[in-house]
Amino acid sequence: KQEVTQIPAALSVPEGENLVLNCSFTDSAIYNLQWFRQDPGKGLTSLLLIQSSQREQTSGRLNASLDKSSGRSTLYIAASQPGDSATYLCAVPQGGSEKLVFGKGTKLTVNP
Amino acid sequence: NAGVTQTPKFRILKIGQSMTLQCTQDMNHNYMYWYRQDPGMGLKLIYYSVGAGITDKGEVPNGYNVSRSTTEDFPLRLELAAPSQTSVYFCASSARGQGSAGYGYTFGSGTRLTVV
Repeated sequence: KQEVTQIPAALSVPEGENLVLNCSFTDSAIYNLQWFRQDPGKGLTSLLLIQSSQREQTSGRLNASLDKSSGRSTLYIAASQPGDSATYLCAVPQGGSEKLVFGKGTKLTVNP
Repeated sequence: NAGVTQTPKFRILKIGQSMTLQCTQDMNHNYMYWYRQDPGMGLKLIYYSVGAGITDKGEVPNGYNVSRSTTEDFPLRLELAAPSQTSVYFCASSARGQGSAGYGYTFGSGTRLTVV
């Protein structure tokens, strides 16, 4: 059974700092991995989608990497801003199925 | 373009009552999903559908039912509400399943349900 773990559970940084969020998964037979952002009381917004054949994806100040063999992904946020404050979740498919397994998320606070 | 629309946004139910959570998407996506999110936990899949007339159970289906009569709509039914069903419910859709070519998900804004 696929399990996803995110470390740390919470992170507080000053504005302008570069930071890394970690995601690990137990079954490396995945098609892709997604990073989502969730604002309080809101739904999830897809940030980055990495295919299993890719090593990383970039969108603006966000860079996500994927190492299938070690079962790890990282989300790098450059020059953090208060508007980046949110909960970040990673998710992978359950084997080859259509079922997505989520981590519990990392709650990020960027202080002005 | 509305994306995924969920109604209601909030609801309080008494134990044993029934209700339907509505979900509609206007992106012509084949795949639709219902998740629940409990405090401090990740999302857990309740049911999903790969197209009109086709549904299947997720990780936590007990106490829920779904139907998919059209591509656009995927309602979630709670027949006998229990306190354990207090949660935030999210509906999502994707053009293809996340296990295939990797099209991203679009989520609704959620329904916050409290059973008392």
